[in-house]
Amino acid sequence: GQQVMQIPQYQHVQEGEDFTTYCNSSTTLSNIQWYKQRPGGHPVFLIQLVKSGEVKKQKRLTFQFGEAKKNSSLHITATQTTDVGTYFCAGRGGATNKLIFGTGTLLAVQP
Amino acid sequence: NAGVTQTPKFRILKIGQSMTLQCTQDMNHNYMYWYRQDPGMGLKLIYYSVGAGITDKGEVPNGYNVSRSTTEDFPLRLELAAPSQTSVYFCASRETDRVIPNTGELFFGEGSRLTVL
Repeated sequence: GQQVMQIPQYQHVQEGEDFTTYCNSSTTLSNIQWYKQRPGGHPVFLIQLVKSGEVKKQKRLTFQFGEAKKNSSLHITATQTTDVGTYFCAGRGGATNKLIFGTGTLLAVQP
Repeated sequence: NAGVTQTPKFRILKIGQSMTLQCTQDMNHNYMYWYRQDPGMGLKLIYYSVGAGITDKGEVPNGYNVSRSTTEDFPLRLELAAPSQTSVYFCASRETDRVIPNTGELFFGEGSRLTVL
């Protein structure tokens, strides 16, 4: 079945450093979403990408959808302690077209 | 605006017991979902519903049942609880597609933490 993998599983950065997480799907996706989950919290929607090669920005966050619509990335510029949490991608595609969540990347930011 | 509300927040079950996790949303969303999240892992889809009276299996449906008698409510039933069902359960909803099919953000409840001993 469809699988969505993320790397790295864990990243520890100093405040002010940049951070990137990558999402790879085993099948072509119709769209991809990104969510953030604070420790002990629930996932909160960040953004959705639909078009091949699409790039969207939200302040210090930059999201990309690959040309082949099988991968995506989230880049955070100059991390802050408020960026701490787990970032999940969620892709829709394959035979079932269900939304499948990636394995997540846990970001720790040291002040 | 309550959004998606889950109860209970915490529960401890003994092996073999049954229980229902409640989920209700006040946004008039047609789509509703149940996910489970094991420690340090992603979310796995258990069941979903595209509207009242319609439910379908997700990735990991075994050991669970759902019903959708109203638009607002989507309870998840655990029969004969097993230690493997120890997890955090999230209910989510989204509105019907407006322009592009199968898009739209999920709104999550705060989760129900279940331990089976």
